[in-house]
Amino acid sequence: EAGVAQSPRYKIIEKRQSVAFWCNPISGHATLYWYQQILGQGPKLLIQFQNNGVVDDSQLPKDRFSAERLKGVDSTLKIQPAKLEDSAVYLCASSLDQTSGRVSSYNEQFFGPGTRLTVL
Amino acid sequence: QKEVEQNSGPLSVPEGAIASLNCTYSDRVSQSFFWYRQYSGKSPELIMSIYSNGDKEDGRFTAQLNKASQYVSLLIRDSQPSDSATYLCAARDSNYQLIWGAGTKLIIKP
Repeated sequence: EAGVAQSPRYKIIEKRQSVAFWCNPISGHATLYWYQQILGQGPKLLIQFQNNGVVDDSQLPKDRFSAERLKGVDSTLKIQPAKLEDSAVYLCASSLDQTSGRVSSYNEQFFGPGTRLTVL
Repeated sequence: QKEVEQNSGPLSVPEGAIASLNCTYSDRVSQSFFWYRQYSGKSPELIMSIYSNGDKEDGRFTAQLNKASQYVSLLIRDSQPSDSATYLCAARDSNYQLIWGAGTKLIIKP
């Protein structure tokens, strides 16, 4: 079974430029997450999708970040314009169905390899 | 504020010994707990999930959950140098989201 795919793996941009990341979740996974991880910290949830709907985007800086999952499968995360503090690893994860009431493997999240973003 | 707390370490353990990693959580409603391993420069990898009080064993790994004390632990038996990594603890909250700890850095000394 293929895992979560992400691209690109690395990106270096100047501040005020724009950048986009792509994610393809594990086949059949309804829930998709974008996280930001800064060195030495746990992942910080930016946005959570259930199929093609947004479940939570409360920590997404909406003045510069946007994300979509139009067909309920793959997703893109965009930053425009980038700031120095956006330098981080951007992780995509998926789970079978995080909103299921079941306490089970449906809740398990699996991560892609991540994109390391450097803003100069 | 929902929190998951872990000692940042580093925790240094001799090869072949038992490594014990601990985590506390603040949300009493949490029912699902997860341990992830993250090697330097890599993404988190799920190694254990636990949903019921008590112990859950998988190979050299044992997860322990005590909901009354709001405490989760991970034991690694016969520690190997390849176990050296940062271990992240996460708890699923009532909004179906994972609350993450900052991780404990584990070093296994040959």
